[in-house]
Amino acid sequence: KAGVTQTPRYLIKTRGQQVTLSCSPISGHRSVSWYQQTPGQGLQFLFEYFSETQRNKGNFPGRFSGRQFSNSRSEMNVSTLELGDSALYLCASSLGSAGETQYFGPGTRLLVL
Amino acid sequence: GDSVTQMEGPVTLSEEAFLTINCTYTATGYPSLFWYVQYPGEGLQLLLKATKADDKGSNKGFEATYRKETTSFHLEKGSVQVSDSAVYFCALRIGGSQGNLIFGKGTKLSVKP
Repeated sequence: KAGVTQTPRYLIKTRGQQVTLSCSPISGHRSVSWYQQTPGQGLQFLFEYFSETQRNKGNFPGRFSGRQFSNSRSEMNVSTLELGDSALYLCASSLGSAGETQYFGPGTRLLVL
Repeated sequence: GDSVTQMEGPVTLSEEAFLTINCTYTATGYPSLFWYVQYPGEGLQLLLKATKADDKGSNKGFEATYRKETTSFHLEKGSVQVSDSAVYFCALRIGGSQGNLIFGKGTKLSVKP
């Protein structure tokens, strides 16, 4: 079974631009969560989607948004990029039921110049 | 709020040494507890988990026991290998399927031959 895939793997943008990251979950998984990893703040939860609905949201500004499609693939969008948005963005998928393990993709490394 | 505290790294050990990485948590409910490992340039991989008090998770020679009385979930391995060099994250999840993961800051382990 293929794992979680994320595209692109690397991205360079400039301040003020916007970016869209994509995540394809493991086949059959309906829940997709997004996390931001930085050296200073560590791993922080952004949001979770389940069956095309946002089910849970972390403490990030409205510039960070996401969506999920009917095939469970998810996209994350960051508008008006800031230098501090430079990070590794990780996507995780799970079946979505209580107690299920989250499986992580390799991440998208975003550099904002 | 809910949080996870891990011992600061980096931890440097010789091959075949005993490993302990301390993890304690603060949670309002009854969390599930996890250890994830991140190898250089990769995403997170689930190492082991425990979902209730006194459960022991184990995988690849690593073990951790869910201790409710001390709110701890310390990671141990009897004999580390060079290939165990990675960053280890302790995490908790509250709220069943709708709970996001809350991570510790991570502990970098380097194993020398």
